[in-house]
Amino acid sequence: DVKVTQSSRYLVKRTGEKVFLECVQDMDHENMFWYRQDPGLGLRLIYFSYDVKMKEKGDIPEGYSVSREKKERFSLILESASTNQTSMYLCANSRGHRSYNEQFFGPGTRLTVL
Amino acid sequence: QKEVEQDPGPLSVPEGAIVSLNCTYSNSAFQYFMWYRQYSRKGPELLMYTYSSGNKEDGRFTAQVDKSSKYISLFIRDSQPSDSATYLCAMRHGSSNTGKLIFGQGTTLQVKP
Repeated sequence: DVKVTQSSRYLVKRTGEKVFLECVQDMDHENMFWYRQDPGLGLRLIYFSYDVKMKEKGDIPEGYSVSREKKERFSLILESASTNQTSMYLCANSRGHRSYNEQFFGPGTRLTVL
Repeated sequence: QKEVEQDPGPLSVPEGAIVSLNCTYSNSAFQYFMWYRQYSRKGPELLMYTYSSGNKEDGRFTAQVDKSSKYISLFIRDSQPSDSATYLCAMRHGSSNTGKLIFGQGTTLQVKP
């Protein structure tokens, strides 16, 4: 059974803390993505990576950074958490083929910043 | 203006009804059109995808793309309570090799027994 796992389902942090969200996939897929999901705004892409040590900004990268040291692991870092980063964070991955459309999502991490 | 627009609902229908979910988009470069289904407290899962214009049917689900109107639809026939979920449309450029998708806001559907 293929899996995408995220380090926590629920997380509560304080303003100014450094936050690490981890995503691990066992699908051997090249592309990995971090999204945030907010009511009325849908899924918004924060960062993505199409190869180890490669990263590209998505639509809302401000306040976030990422790390991909190994193919199966993609980390999202909030350098100094703020209340407007309270959200559901979803990790996804897909095969590195131009015509492949399916992204496989993890269960999400609901982050609350107080 | 967002590249992809989707009415968030919620949409509530009785069991057995035909459901129509829709998205509009502004970028004519989109070639691949997808529908994802997201159950509560889960990540989205791909339901169907269509390349360019036309219809695609899979069981009770039919996806339609009208590129001339920049409008896509998902029809659910004989809707069931198990269809209650949030449905997200997604699109991407034909030339993209990174798999980057643009998602709509999602429509929440409730099918009442």
